[in-house]
Amino acid sequence: AQSVAQPEDQVNVAEGNPLTVKCTYSVSGNPYLFWYVQYPNRGLQFLLKYITGDNLVKGSYGFEAEFNKSQTSFHLKKPSALVSDSALYFCAVRDRYESSASKIIFGSGTRLSIRP
Amino acid sequence: EAGVTQFPSHSVIEKGQTVTLRCDPISGHDNLYWYRRVMGKEIKFLLHFVKESKQDESGMPNNRFLAERTGGTYSTLKVQPAELEDSGVYFCASSQWGTSSGDTQYFGPGTRLTVL
Repeated sequence: AQSVAQPEDQVNVAEGNPLTVKCTYSVSGNPYLFWYVQYPNRGLQFLLKYITGDNLVKGSYGFEAEFNKSQTSFHLKKPSALVSDSALYFCAVRDRYESSASKIIFGSGTRLSIRP
Repeated sequence: EAGVTQFPSHSVIEKGQTVTLRCDPISGHDNLYWYRRVMGKEIKFLLHFVKESKQDESGMPNNRFLAERTGGTYSTLKVQPAELEDSGVYFCASSQWGTSSGDTQYFGPGTRLTVL
């Protein structure tokens, strides 16, 4: 069965330090991979996606994610965290080849807390 | 460009009542999706419209849920009769190209449904 795992419910980082939010997936073949962010009282905002090509994907607000096929991971990273990055982050996948590959499968979410 | 909008933002109803949620996709997006997040768990796919047709409704939990998209523009999701376990946040998303090319789904702010 297809699944996405975000092993950490919460990640705490000091402002200015690098941050990593982990994501691993279990999907056959080469899926499309996404990160979304949900700020308090807001909807899901698209951050970045991996389709093909360069394994390092750059997205909004200085975030980037690295696709690692051998480890089936797609960790989200940022070199220097801001307090405003505090939010709920969702990793997600979509099957590339399934005929009705419309659905996105989400992880359970990781709450990122950046302390000043 | 306006994003995906959803109405209402919050709804509190009693068990057995009926509730109708509305979603207006981004203009020009033929693909419209419904998801929900129940009890802080994963965000789960409900169904996918292409214009006015249901492309994939494999995620609909039971026949108490009815989704429509008459005219291929906005969509409604009706829950009748509502049960306690239906409480959660219902997200709508839209995309332009559907399943091809890792198409990005853009999400609305969600409707928080509370069934008492």
